[in-house]
Amino acid sequence: NAGVTQTPKFRVLKTGQSMTLLCAQDMNHEYMYWYRQDPGMGLRLIHYSVGEGTTAKGEVPDGYNVSRLKKQNFLLGLESAAPSQTSVYFCASSYSGGQGNQPQHFGDGTRLSIL
Amino acid sequence: AQSVSQHNHHVILSEAASLELGCNYSYGGTVNLFWYVQYPGQHLQLLLKYFSGDPLVKGIKGFEAEFIKSKFSFNLRKPSVQWSDTAEYFCAVNAGDTGRRALTFGSGTRLQVQP
Repeated sequence: NAGVTQTPKFRVLKTGQSMTLLCAQDMNHEYMYWYRQDPGMGLRLIHYSVGEGTTAKGEVPDGYNVSRLKKQNFLLGLESAAPSQTSVYFCASSYSGGQGNQPQHFGDGTRLSIL
Repeated sequence: AQSVSQHNHHVILSEAASLELGCNYSYGGTVNLFWYVQYPGQHLQLLLKYFSGDPLVKGIKGFEAEFIKSKFSFNLRKPSVQWSDTAEYFCAVNAGDTGRRALTFGSGTRLQVQP
């Protein structure tokens, strides 16, 4: 199994450009998440989804949009990139069973630089 | 809302030294607690988790953690570290008594083990 796959792995954008990050999981997980990781700040939740067709805001949603049209895919979009969005982006997925005690499985990350 | 504090930002140890990394959380209800490890250039991997039962939990690679409810703590320990334990360690929590599965992460502790 591939687990959680993120594309692309690296990208450099100019301020104002748009792009979409793709996350795909093959574990049939209901829950999917997008985090950003910045030095000294750990991971912060951007948006998440509890199932196909549903999305919700996390801690730092401004400037991002998401879509979950298919259960296995969770897309993160930047409509107009800003330098403050330079970060490493991680996607994760988890099973919905239990009371949140199922671990999240992470992708390898996308390193995004906005010039 | 939950929050997680990791007070040790950077720890340097020699091989065979003992390790204890602190993690404190703030949430009054039922919690699920996790420790993740991120080796250089890799994605986050689960070390161990606690959600109920024995407050001393054992994880992979000889790591263990103790949940002390009265202190809102979930400290990570290893009796004897190896050079290969050099990595960044993240404590994370979610509320077990809500439907929310998304994790709140601490800022991370960078562990450097010197041979």
